[in-house]
Amino acid sequence: NAGVTQTPKFRILKIGQSMTLQCAQDMNHNYMYWYRQDPGMGLKLIYYSVGAGITDKGEVPNGYNVSRSTTEDFPLRLELAAPSQTSVYFCASSRLPGQGGGYGYTFGSGTRLTVV
Amino acid sequence: DQQVKQNSPSLSVQEGRISILNCDYTNSMFDYFLWYKKYPAEGPTFLISISSIKDKNEDGRFTVFLNKSAKHLSLHIVPSQPGDSAVYFCVLGPGGSEKLVFGKGTKLTVNP
Repeated sequence: NAGVTQTPKFRILKIGQSMTLQCAQDMNHNYMYWYRQDPGMGLKLIYYSVGAGITDKGEVPNGYNVSRSTTEDFPLRLELAAPSQTSVYFCASSRLPGQGGGYGYTFGSGTRLTVV
Repeated sequence: DQQVKQNSPSLSVQEGRISILNCDYTNSMFDYFLWYKKYPAEGPTFLISISSIKDKNEDGRFTVFLNKSAKHLSLHIVPSQPGDSAVYFCVLGPGGSEKLVFGKGTKLTVNP
């Protein structure tokens, strides 16, 4: 099925470890996003990208880094993991946000990360 | 400071009845409004949207109402079905921005 693929689905990290959450889309979408969802909360934007080579910070970027070397891939890097980064991470992509109501967001199934 | 408020964390209705989910927002800069639905262990999926120039949009069993003067958005599901049981997010889109703003979600349970 075409869409957004996230790996891994689950991960446990120790405090201070690093890891990369992978995200790939095969819909040729220009826009890609990383969100995190904490228990009982809505999704908060971490970083987003409007095209290959272009990234920008969202609402909660601290402790994360991103890169966008291709249209398809948008990895999220966690350096020096902290318990506050325990969350579910969602990657999404869209063609033209805001066009026709912004319904073009396609989300991956999420990565559940626990930092202990 | 919450820009989007879904004040009911949960809602339970009987199959066949109407489900009404509510959302309030604080900033008039939003110019399109969406509802996303999320099942456990899945990412959110788009359900229905409405632009700021309309006050109602209908798609099958789902209708979204927008009251701009009250800064209030609601989603009506009728008739409700057990498969509608999910978390529903009210999502707002600021004009000219890529950044959607999500509410905390309302967990809907439709009982058979």
